[in-house]
Amino acid sequence: NAGVMQNPRHLVRRRGQEARLRCSPMKGHSHVYWYRQLPEEGLKFMVYLQKENIIDESGMPKERFSAEFPKEGPSILRIQQVVRGDSAAYFCASSRTGWSDTQYFGPGTRLTVL
Amino acid sequence: GENVEQHPSTLSVQEGDSAVIKCTYSDSASNYFPWYKQELGKRPQLIIDIRSNVGEKKDQRIAVTLNKTAKHFSLHITETQPEDSAVYFCAVSDGSSNTGKLIFGQGTTLQVKP
Repeated sequence: NAGVMQNPRHLVRRRGQEARLRCSPMKGHSHVYWYRQLPEEGLKFMVYLQKENIIDESGMPKERFSAEFPKEGPSILRIQQVVRGDSAAYFCASSRTGWSDTQYFGPGTRLTVL
Repeated sequence: GENVEQHPSTLSVQEGDSAVIKCTYSDSASNYFPWYKQELGKRPQLIIDIRSNVGEKKDQRIAVTLNKTAKHFSLHITETQPEDSAVYFCAVSDGSSNTGKLIFGQGTTLQVKP
């Protein structure tokens, strides 16, 4: 019974590089949410996706950030030209249905920008 | 948009005592209220949730109460144990978007002293 998988678990990038974070939802789940957690803070919603569709990206910065959830393969959160302020833990969560359904979190990717 | 306030930010109790954490929210359309426990460096784990058609829910030592009129809900942990020490987050489903995205409180660091 594999839970939500994320990789890599730790990612170090220099300023200006690109970061790609992957999330594989639980089996049977087709709804993926990405959240960001700054050090010693709560989780902030970034984007909600279903297969091949972005449903809500209201929490995602307009520039440098993008997300996708292709028909085959994991969901990907991409950050271009990273800056120090992007250093955070990025968690994805999945649910079976979207609205008010239980969300299960992955272990997170801890991004450090040097 | 939805605003979630969580109190207290830190809570220290003696082993065996009870702990109570409260959250208030602003959007009366919200209808799903989960609580997550996060240990240092780990993923948020769902410990209990409640939906708006229920006023109280209990699971062994953990209970959640919901007052929709006053727009607040609380987590109650009885007979606390050292392994209950962690950061606890309340969350509220965003009622205005109906996408299931969660708005999180700021977190409560619970310390249970043996």
